[in-house]
Amino acid sequence: KAGVTQTPRYLIKTRGQQVTLSCSPISGHRSVSWYQQTPGQGLQFLFEYFSETQRNKGNFPGRFSGRQFSNSRSEMNVSTLELGDSALYLCASSLGPQGGDTQYFGPGTRLTVL
Amino acid sequence: QKEVEQNSGPLSVPEGAIASLNCTYSDRGSQSFFWYRQYSGKSPELIMFIYSNGDKEDGRFTAQLNKASQYVSLLIRDSQPSDSATYLCALTFSGGYNKLIFGAGTRLAVHP
Repeated sequence: KAGVTQTPRYLIKTRGQQVTLSCSPISGHRSVSWYQQTPGQGLQFLFEYFSETQRNKGNFPGRFSGRQFSNSRSEMNVSTLELGDSALYLCASSLGPQGGDTQYFGPGTRLTVL
Repeated sequence: QKEVEQNSGPLSVPEGAIASLNCTYSDRGSQSFFWYRQYSGKSPELIMFIYSNGDKEDGRFTAQLNKASQYVSLLIRDSQPSDSATYLCALTFSGGYNKLIFGAGTRLAVHP
């Protein structure tokens, strides 16, 4: 089975711009979660989608949003980028229905905000 | 506030030795526990998961869970230089669906 894929792998943006990141889960997985990883804060949960519905959200400002499509692929969007948004953005997929499932991570998107 | 605590290390062990990585957590409603390995510049890779009290073995890895004492540990037997990485402890909690809460990670260095 193919693993979790994320595109693009690297992005460079300037402050004030917006960005969209994409994640394709493992075939058959219906849950997609997004995480932000920075040296100072570690890995932090952004949100989780299951069957096109956001069912959990982390403590991030409204500039961070996401969605999931009927084929389980997910996108996250960050508007009005700030320097502090520079991070590795990871998505993880799992089977999903009840929670507590094993999650498998994609390679990540490295976002640099200048 | 649900917290996961790990010693940041580095934990240095000689090749062939047993590496012991520990993690404590604050929420008694924690449900599922995971160990991920992360090499520098790479994404986390699942090593072990454990749901019930006791030990779970998979090859050179053994995960141990003690819910009463709120700790989970990972033992790596016959450590190899290729095991040198950051090991992340993570958990989910009842009602949190698949939201993973991570510790800061422990850096392991295995020297020849």
